[in-house]
Order: sequence, then structure tokens, then C-alpha cells
Amino acid sequence: EDKVVQSPLSLVVHEGDTVTLNCSYEVTNFRSLLWYKQEKKAPTFLFMLTSSGIEKKSGRLSSILDKKELFSILNITATQTGDSAVYLCAVEAREYGNKLVFGAGTILRVKS
Amino acid sequence: NAGVTQTPKFQVLKTGQSMTLQCAQDMNHEYMSWYRQDPGMGLRLIHYSVGAGITDQGEVPNGYNVSRSTTEDFPLRLLSAAPSQTSVYFCASSRIRKANEKLFFGSGTQLSVL
Repeated sequence: EDKVVQSPLSLVVHEGDTVTLNCSYEVTNFRSLLWYKQEKKAPTFLFMLTSSGIEKKSGRLSSILDKKELFSILNITATQTGDSAVYLCAVEAREYGNKLVFGAGTILRVKS
Repeated sequence: NAGVTQTPKFQVLKTGQSMTLQCAQDMNHEYMSWYRQDPGMGLRLIHYSVGAGITDQGEVPNGYNVSRSTTEDFPLRLLSAAPSQTSVYFCASSRIRKANEKLFFGSGTQLSVL
């Protein structure tokens, strides 16, 4: 059965801290891994990763995929209160019309 | 550019009632889908459609029906609501459904079934 596990489940940090969010997966016919940020409403797209070892970067956020060890990390440096959200990891699998299998998410709270 | 629009944002139903959650997108996306989000379980796929007139079941389809008469609209029908269907529902679409095509999400419908 396809599975995506995120850790930690929740995290509280202070502004300026660096955080690392983890995502491990077991999916047949892996196609891609996606990170989303969810702030009370719709998940918004952050990154899509398809190749191992290539870092994707957007401002203070970066992510990398390891297809051999079946995991990805999302790093956020110099955190701000606006980074408080649920971060969702999803892996694209071939069944159900290439559905996305989502992890339960990591709840990040950044305190000022 | 409206993107993916869901209505209503909130709904309370009594057990046994039926209702339809609306989803529309204006991006000419072929692929549309419905997910439900429950605490500790992530988002789970209910139904999906790869184009007008074509629908198929996802991993948790029981108790829900869908139709896709136009490219733009993909309504989700609850036939006889049950408390187990209390959840947040998201509609999502993409240009096509293949690798490297990201999903765009609507803002969600919070449904409570009493």
C-alpha cells in the first residue's frame, strides 16, 4: 500500500530558527514528490522534485529528494511568523490516474 | 483569474440529508479531483475525472457521486450524509494528470454532519 510519512507531526520554533521537515515514502511507480503549504485554506504549491540530489530553492525555503533512501526534506531558514502553517508532502503514484498520496502534514508554529 | 472555486465554504447537514458541493475551474484543466482532509490522515482522493464525461473512483468513493458534464464543473454529491463524512473537502485540478503537473486547490468546504 502506498504510504507517505511526515515527521515531526508538529514543531514550535522561534523566529530566526532553521527548521527541517521530513518526508519518507513507499510508493510503487514513483513519479514525483511535491511539497505544499497550507494556511487554513487551500494548499499552495511549493516544490516539485523528480530527481535525486538536485536542490530546489525559493527564497528561504529549499528542498531535496533522495530516491535511493526514499525521502525528502524541506528546509526553512531564518523562520518568520508567516511561515506558520501545515506543510504537506505528497508523492505521485501511477494508480488512480496518477493520484497524489499525501502525508498527514507537519504543523509548524513560529513564535515571535 | 479565479482558479478553482468551491462553494459553499461551510455546511452543516443532518444525518440522511443530501447535498452537492460545487467546484468550478476557469483554467481549461482536463483533470479535476475531490479530496477529503481528516486530522492525522492527510488528504485522500474520493473521485477524479480526466475530462468531460469521464469520471472514476479514488481510494474513498463510498457515499459520494460525481459527474463531469463540462470541462469547467465537477460537483460532488453526498447521497445520504453520515457523521463519518464530516471533513474538509478540497477540489483540485491540473492541466492534465501526468507526472510533473502540479495540482491547484480550491479553498475548501468544511462539512459537518450531525
